[in-house]
Amino acid sequence: QKEVEQNSGPLSVPEGAIASLNCTYSDRVSQSFFWYRQYSGKSPELIMSIYSNGDKEDGRFTAQLNKASQYVSLLIRDSQPSDSATYLCAVRGLTGGGNKLTFGTGTQLKVEL
Amino acid sequence: EADIYQTPRYLVIGTGKKITLECSQTMGHDKMYWYQQDPGMELHLIHYSYGVNSTEKGDLSSESTVSRIRTEHFPLTLESARPSHTSQYLCASIQGASYNEQFFGPGTRLTVL
Repeated sequence: QKEVEQNSGPLSVPEGAIASLNCTYSDRVSQSFFWYRQYSGKSPELIMSIYSNGDKEDGRFTAQLNKASQYVSLLIRDSQPSDSATYLCAVRGLTGGGNKLTFGTGTQLKVEL
Repeated sequence: EADIYQTPRYLVIGTGKKITLECSQTMGHDKMYWYQQDPGMELHLIHYSYGVNSTEKGDLSSESTVSRIRTEHFPLTLESARPSHTSQYLCASIQGASYNEQFFGPGTRLTVL
């Protein structure tokens, strides 16, 4: 089992819809959770971080964390074609003294006109 | 906004050449990281540093080496480049406590002929 698992996709949603991206992790003592967006050929860009159970909203983005279920998700409301990218889930646990991020393989999102 | 710089952005070089990929950050971050990523594939941590004179190998075996003589500078060196080294190399940094966010540089795309 991978430490951080994501469905590779592609996930296709129509413009204006809600895109839901999911991630599960195996390390129960993980403390910090991040979502990165990566356009093809570019470096990952941090879009959300979440540390406590519940929801965290930032504009069109909402991160949801459920530590009991070891599950973190990202909702993108009113999806736009510019949201088409690969979304990476990253988790910081105790590996490497809590100084290393473990990344999932990413979910490719396609927002169609 | 993170200030992490990588040079060169693109490099095409012949087999057997020695190359150094530069990474610098102006934020005084103590922890720095090198990742390798092939197109459409996942990120692999190849080296990291927790501070000056501290370097560790990452999760993916790499023939590259790194040094950390100054806080702001974390260069990666390949003594003898091979076509198998063709990839994108991403540098990242983070400050202090594990809750803090990790930022990536723009990356160096290396092609070894």
